[in-house]
Amino acid sequence: DGGITQSPKYLFRKEGQNVTLSCEQNLNHDAMYWYRQDPGQGLRLIYYSQIVNDFQKGDIAEGYSVSREKKESFPLTVTSAQKNPTAFYLCASQKRGEGNQPQHFGDGTRLSIL
Amino acid sequence: DQQVKQNSPSLSVQEGRISILNCDYTNSMFDYFLWYKKYPAEGPTFLISISSIKDKNEDGRFTVFLNKSAKHLSLHIVPSQPGDSAVYFCAASGQIGSGNTGKLIFGQGTTLQVKP
Repeated sequence: DGGITQSPKYLFRKEGQNVTLSCEQNLNHDAMYWYRQDPGQGLRLIYYSQIVNDFQKGDIAEGYSVSREKKESFPLTVTSAQKNPTAFYLCASQKRGEGNQPQHFGDGTRLSIL
Repeated sequence: DQQVKQNSPSLSVQEGRISILNCDYTNSMFDYFLWYKKYPAEGPTFLISISSIKDKNEDGRFTVFLNKSAKHLSLHIVPSQPGDSAVYFCAASGQIGSGNTGKLIFGQGTTLQVKP
Protein backbone atom coordinates (compact mmCIF):
# COMPACT_ATOMS: atom_id res chain seq x y z
CA ASP A 1 0.00 0.00 0.00
CA GLY A 2 1.18 3.53 -0.74
CA GLY A 3 1.77 5.84 2.16
CA ILE A 4 4.08 7.80 4.39
CA THR A 5 6.07 6.03 7.08
CA GLN A 6 7.58 7.85 10.01
CA SER A 7 9.92 6.18 12.47
CA PRO A 8 10.35 5.76 15.30
CA LYS A 9 6.92 6.46 16.79
CA TYR A 10 8.50 7.52 20.11
CA LEU A 11 11.98 8.96 20.57
CA PHE A 12 13.88 10.17 23.60
CA ARG A 13 16.75 12.61 23.45
CA LYS A 14 19.37 13.41 26.02
CA GLU A 15 20.51 16.96 26.56
CA GLY A 16 23.11 17.99 23.97
CA GLN A 17 22.32 15.10 21.64
CA ASN A 18 21.28 15.24 18.00
CA VAL A 19 18.53 12.88 16.89
CA THR A 20 17.22 12.08 13.42
CA LEU A 21 13.58 11.38 12.57
CA SER A 22 12.89 9.27 9.52
CA CYS A 23 10.24 9.93 6.87
CA GLU A 24 9.77 7.70 3.84
CA GLN A 25 7.05 7.86 1.18
CA ASN A 26 6.21 5.54 -1.72
CA LEU A 27 3.59 7.80 -3.27
CA ASN A 28 6.03 9.19 -5.84
CA HIS A 29 5.32 12.67 -4.53
CA ASP A 30 7.74 15.46 -5.35
CA ALA A 31 7.18 17.68 -2.32
CA MET A 32 7.77 16.77 1.30
CA TYR A 33 7.25 18.74 4.49
CA TRP A 34 8.09 18.61 8.21
CA TYR A 35 5.76 20.10 10.79
CA ARG A 36 5.82 20.38 14.54
CA GLN A 37 2.72 20.25 16.71
CA ASP A 38 2.64 21.48 20.30
CA PRO A 39 -0.30 20.94 22.69
CA GLY A 40 -3.29 23.12 21.84
CA GLN A 41 -1.63 24.51 18.75
CA GLY A 42 -1.80 23.98 15.05
CA LEU A 43 0.95 22.56 12.89
CA ARG A 44 3.95 24.79 12.26
CA LEU A 45 6.22 24.30 9.25
CA ILE A 46 9.88 23.47 9.96
CA TYR A 47 11.35 22.66 6.52
CA TYR A 48 10.04 21.69 3.12
CA SER A 49 11.41 20.30 -0.11
CA GLN A 50 9.82 20.58 -3.54
CA ILE A 51 12.40 18.49 -5.38
CA VAL A 52 15.35 16.22 -4.72
CA ASN A 53 18.51 17.99 -3.53
CA ASP A 54 16.61 21.17 -2.71
CA PHE A 55 14.91 22.29 0.50
CA GLN A 56 13.75 25.52 2.11
CA LYS A 57 13.34 26.77 5.66
CA GLY A 58 9.85 27.02 7.03
CA ASP A 59 8.62 29.23 9.83
CA ILE A 60 10.53 27.58 12.70
CA ALA A 61 13.71 26.11 11.16
CA GLU A 62 16.16 27.14 13.89
CA GLY A 63 17.73 24.12 15.58
CA TYR A 64 16.70 21.71 12.81
CA SER A 65 18.34 20.39 9.65
CA VAL A 66 17.15 18.23 6.75
CA SER A 67 18.42 16.50 3.62
CA ARG A 68 16.69 15.35 0.45
CA GLU A 69 19.05 12.99 -1.33
CA LYS A 70 16.27 10.71 -2.56
CA LYS A 71 12.75 11.45 -3.68
CA GLU A 72 11.36 8.94 -1.20
CA SER A 73 13.18 10.17 1.90
CA PHE A 74 13.23 13.43 3.88
CA PRO A 75 14.92 12.91 7.27
CA LEU A 76 14.78 15.61 9.93
CA THR A 77 17.61 16.11 12.44
CA VAL A 78 16.80 17.83 15.71
CA THR A 79 20.06 19.35 16.84
CA SER A 80 21.23 20.31 20.31
CA ALA A 81 20.63 23.93 19.27
CA GLN A 82 16.88 23.33 19.43
CA LYS A 83 16.14 24.38 23.01
CA ASN A 84 12.58 23.12 23.21
CA PRO A 85 12.46 19.96 21.12
CA THR A 86 9.69 18.14 22.98
CA ALA A 87 6.82 17.96 20.48
CA PHE A 88 4.92 15.78 18.03
CA TYR A 89 6.64 15.82 14.63
CA LEU A 90 4.69 15.20 11.44
CA CYS A 91 5.96 14.55 7.94
CA ALA A 92 3.82 15.12 4.87
CA SER A 93 4.12 14.71 1.13
CA GLN A 94 2.30 16.28 -1.79
CA LYS A 95 1.86 15.65 -5.47
CA ARG A 96 2.85 18.68 -7.48
CA GLY A 97 2.20 19.88 -11.00
CA GLU A 98 -1.53 19.24 -11.36
CA GLY A 99 -3.13 22.23 -9.65
CA ASN A 100 -4.01 22.24 -6.00
CA GLN A 101 -3.33 18.99 -4.18
CA PRO A 102 -3.69 18.10 -0.51
CA GLN A 103 -0.77 17.13 1.64
CA HIS A 104 -0.85 13.63 3.08
CA PHE A 105 0.62 12.92 6.50
CA GLY A 106 2.44 10.14 8.29
CA ASP A 107 1.49 9.08 11.80
CA GLY A 108 4.11 11.20 13.50
CA THR A 109 7.03 10.84 15.91
CA ARG A 110 6.74 12.00 19.50
CA LEU A 111 10.07 13.35 20.75
CA SER A 112 10.73 13.75 24.47
CA ILE A 113 13.73 14.95 26.44
CA LEU A 114 15.25 12.75 29.10
CA ASP B 1 0.30 37.04 13.51
CA GLN B 2 -2.04 34.14 12.94
CA GLN B 3 -3.27 34.04 9.35
CA VAL B 4 -5.69 31.15 9.93
CA LYS B 5 -7.80 31.08 13.08
CA GLN B 6 -10.20 28.60 14.59
CA ASN B 7 -11.75 30.52 17.44
CA SER B 8 -13.63 27.64 19.03
CA PRO B 9 -11.27 25.24 20.82
CA SER B 10 -14.04 22.69 21.30
CA LEU B 11 -17.53 21.74 20.16
CA SER B 12 -19.96 19.16 21.51
CA VAL B 13 -22.96 17.88 19.55
CA GLN B 14 -25.46 15.07 19.82
CA GLU B 15 -25.24 12.09 17.50
CA GLY B 16 -27.37 12.62 14.41
CA ARG B 17 -27.29 16.41 14.62
CA ILE B 18 -25.23 18.81 12.51
CA SER B 19 -21.68 19.79 13.48
CA ILE B 20 -20.46 23.16 12.21
CA LEU B 21 -16.79 23.99 12.54
CA ASN B 22 -15.61 27.47 11.65
CA CYS B 23 -12.38 28.98 10.39
CA ASP B 24 -11.34 32.55 9.57
CA TYR B 25 -8.36 33.74 7.55
CA THR B 26 -6.72 37.09 6.95
CA ASN B 27 -4.62 36.65 3.81
CA SER B 28 -6.62 37.43 0.67
CA MET B 29 -3.98 35.61 -1.42
CA PHE B 30 -5.09 32.24 -0.03
CA ASP B 31 -6.97 30.39 -2.72
CA TYR B 32 -7.03 26.76 -1.59
CA PHE B 33 -8.56 25.63 1.67
CA LEU B 34 -8.57 22.24 3.33
CA TRP B 35 -9.98 20.45 6.35
CA TYR B 36 -8.10 17.71 8.15
CA LYS B 37 -9.24 15.34 10.90
CA LYS B 38 -6.81 14.16 13.55
CA TYR B 39 -7.02 11.45 16.20
CA PRO B 40 -4.59 11.48 19.16
CA ALA B 41 -1.12 10.12 18.37
CA GLU B 42 -1.91 9.91 14.65
CA GLY B 43 -1.22 12.13 11.67
CA PRO B 44 -3.94 14.35 10.21
CA THR B 45 -6.17 12.77 7.60
CA PHE B 46 -7.31 14.86 4.64
CA LEU B 47 -11.10 15.31 4.62
CA ILE B 48 -12.18 17.82 2.02
CA SER B 49 -10.91 20.89 0.20
CA ILE B 50 -12.24 23.85 -1.72
CA SER B 51 -10.77 26.19 -4.29
CA SER B 52 -11.48 29.90 -4.07
CA ILE B 53 -13.40 29.78 -7.36
CA LYS B 54 -16.13 27.82 -5.56
CA ASP B 55 -18.30 28.59 -2.57
CA LYS B 56 -19.31 25.04 -1.71
CA ASN B 57 -17.90 21.55 -1.99
CA GLU B 58 -19.66 18.42 -0.80
CA ASP B 59 -18.41 14.89 -0.15
CA GLY B 60 -20.85 12.57 1.53
CA ARG B 61 -21.64 13.81 5.02
CA PHE B 62 -19.04 16.59 4.77
CA THR B 63 -19.63 19.97 3.15
CA VAL B 64 -17.26 22.91 3.13
CA PHE B 65 -18.55 26.44 2.56
CA LEU B 66 -16.34 29.36 1.58
CA ASN B 67 -17.29 33.02 2.01
CA LYS B 68 -14.48 34.99 0.40
CA SER B 69 -15.84 38.41 1.24
CA ALA B 70 -15.91 37.49 4.92
CA LYS B 71 -12.68 35.44 4.68
CA HIS B 72 -14.51 32.62 6.39
CA LEU B 73 -14.95 28.93 5.79
CA SER B 74 -16.93 26.30 7.60
CA LEU B 75 -17.19 22.53 7.68
CA HIS B 76 -20.60 20.95 8.11
CA ILE B 77 -20.94 17.32 9.15
CA VAL B 78 -24.43 15.88 8.75
CA PRO B 79 -25.40 13.64 10.44
CA SER B 80 -22.71 13.63 13.10
CA GLN B 81 -21.50 10.25 14.34
CA PRO B 82 -19.50 9.29 17.46
CA GLY B 83 -16.62 8.25 15.19
CA ASP B 84 -16.36 11.85 14.03
CA SER B 85 -15.02 12.81 17.47
CA ALA B 86 -11.53 14.16 16.77
CA VAL B 87 -9.58 17.38 16.35
CA TYR B 88 -10.35 19.21 13.12
CA PHE B 89 -7.83 21.56 11.51
CA CYS B 90 -8.49 24.00 8.74
CA ALA B 91 -5.58 24.97 6.49
CA ALA B 92 -4.97 27.41 3.66
CA SER B 93 -2.43 27.94 0.91
CA GLY B 94 -1.73 30.43 -1.86
CA GLN B 95 -1.90 29.92 -5.60
CA ILE B 96 0.78 27.58 -6.90
CA GLY B 97 1.12 29.55 -10.11
CA SER B 98 2.07 32.70 -8.26
CA GLY B 99 5.23 31.05 -7.03
CA ASN B 100 3.76 29.93 -3.76
CA THR B 101 5.31 26.69 -2.66
CA GLY B 102 2.15 24.88 -1.68
CA LYS B 103 2.88 25.53 1.97
CA LEU B 104 -0.10 25.12 4.25
CA ILE B 105 -0.96 27.48 7.08
CA PHE B 106 -2.94 25.69 9.79
CA GLY B 107 -5.44 26.88 12.34
CA GLN B 108 -5.14 25.83 15.97
CA GLY B 109 -7.74 23.10 15.69
CA THR B 110 -11.21 22.47 17.12
CA THR B 111 -11.94 19.37 19.20
CA LEU B 112 -15.28 17.88 18.22
CA GLN B 113 -17.09 15.54 20.57
CA VAL B 114 -20.14 13.70 19.26
CA LYS B 115 -22.18 12.24 22.07
CA PRO B 116 -24.18 9.03 21.51
